[in-house]
Amino acid sequence: GAGVSQSPRYKVAKRGQDVALRCDPISGHVSLFWYQQALGQGPEFLTYFQNEAQLDKSGLPSDRFFAERPEGSVSTLKIQRTQQEDSAVYLCASSERQGSYNSPLHFGNGTRLTVT
Amino acid sequence: AQKVTQAQTEISVVEKEDVTLDCVYETRDTTYYLFWYKQPPSGELVFLIRRNSFDEQNEISGRYSWNFQKSTSSFNFTITASQVVDSAVYFCALSEEYSNYQLIWGAGTKLIIKP
Repeated sequence: GAGVSQSPRYKVAKRGQDVALRCDPISGHVSLFWYQQALGQGPEFLTYFQNEAQLDKSGLPSDRFFAERPEGSVSTLKIQRTQQEDSAVYLCASSERQGSYNSPLHFGNGTRLTVT
Repeated sequence: AQKVTQAQTEISVVEKEDVTLDCVYETRDTTYYLFWYKQPPSGELVFLIRRNSFDEQNEISGRYSWNFQKSTSSFNFTITASQVVDSAVYFCALSEEYSNYQLIWGAGTKLIIKP
């Protein structure tokens, strides 16, 4: 069956470039999360959507980071003027119900962003 | 303060050995959930188990078992008769009632199973 799909799988950007990372959640899933995972670390929360509403963006590290989910399905994480410290794996997850403990999170394979 | 601690950074065992991954958590909530996720080299985090704070029964699923002890704030994970395919990074995570959508993750334990 279709899981969470993320694209691109790998992205190399020169410092200062803008990037857009896409997430296709499982159809019908209410909740969508973005996480940032540095090498050898656990995922760090970035932002949470319940349908099209962005309920929490407290984890976004700076105003260069922006996420949207305009129709309550596909989501895009945009990073403007990328910096080297933005290099990480960006994980998207969806769940059937609201929140992260009402139902398990289903993760995509992530997008590995390298900023040179 | 670290809310979820996985003190073992890396564990290496020979196939067929039993191995236990430790997880210690910290919370003031009486209602919370604990999770284990597996991250194989492909990168996709795979859900293994969810346990709520009111259910201290240990759980067994095939070769996997989990020991939840509120008295020591621990939620340890044991793999019996390990196999090479168990090699992965394993994460423990906590979700507190007041923050029903944020998972707090440990740093992970890298498990290497040698043939």
